[in-house]
Amino acid sequence: DIQMTQSPSSLSASVGDRVTITCQASQDIRKYLNWYQQKPGKAPKLLIYDTSNLETGVPSRFSGSGSGTDFTFTVSSLQPEDFATYYCQQYDNLPLTFGGGTKVEIK
Amino acid sequence: QVQLVQSGAEVKKPGSSVKVSCKASGGTFSSYAFSWVRQAPGQGLEWMGGIIPLLATTNYAQKFLGRGTITADESTDTAYMELNSLRSEDTAVYYCARGGRGSGSSWYKGFDYWGQGTLVTVSS
Repeated sequence: DIQMTQSPSSLSASVGDRVTITCQASQDIRKYLNWYQQKPGKAPKLLIYDTSNLETGVPSRFSGSGSGTDFTFTVSSLQPEDFATYYCQQYDNLPLTFGGGTKVEIK
Repeated sequence: QVQLVQSGAEVKKPGSSVKVSCKASGGTFSSYAFSWVRQAPGQGLEWMGGIIPLLATTNYAQKFLGRGTITADESTDTAYMELNSLRSEDTAVYYCARGGRGSGSSWYKGFDYWGQGTLVTVSS
């Protein structure tokens, strides 16, 4: 199975901050990496697919980059509604696997 | 507008089984793979397995082989997940999700639509 190592597991930030989360795959997953946002009591929401493609309706302050084994997710200017938990997920190989999550909290 | 609507919360005894449904509307059911993802309280997301209705093919994470069964009824656009021999560690919210976003050749892509989740509580 491909292990997805996400870091940090949590962070505190202020509105307007730039936030970066990393995700490392245990083997090459090419570009097949997605990012989700999850708020308490809600289903995850797809933000970015195939490393860097913004899902329809997702604000442009969210972005992603990387390839192979190392990936980055960035929020350029954190907004109040962005405080949530974020997960990366690979779909290059079965079983699909997720990173452990990054909880973004208000500083 | 695509919607996935899941069945309601369940409380089960250890050793019993649970079957959760996921009814899709607003899209072409057979054109996508549907997965089941679970989330234990306070924990992360775990892919259990999925089904490709068009190919009548299922795939499972090793952990659920032999204990989980995923099926689909194309006549009602509904996917099902059954988990047997329940134990307390199976207490979780179970989500169905459609894998419809991405350029890869796999049927299992980014999850663009999710059900609302079904809480399954296993307790004696």
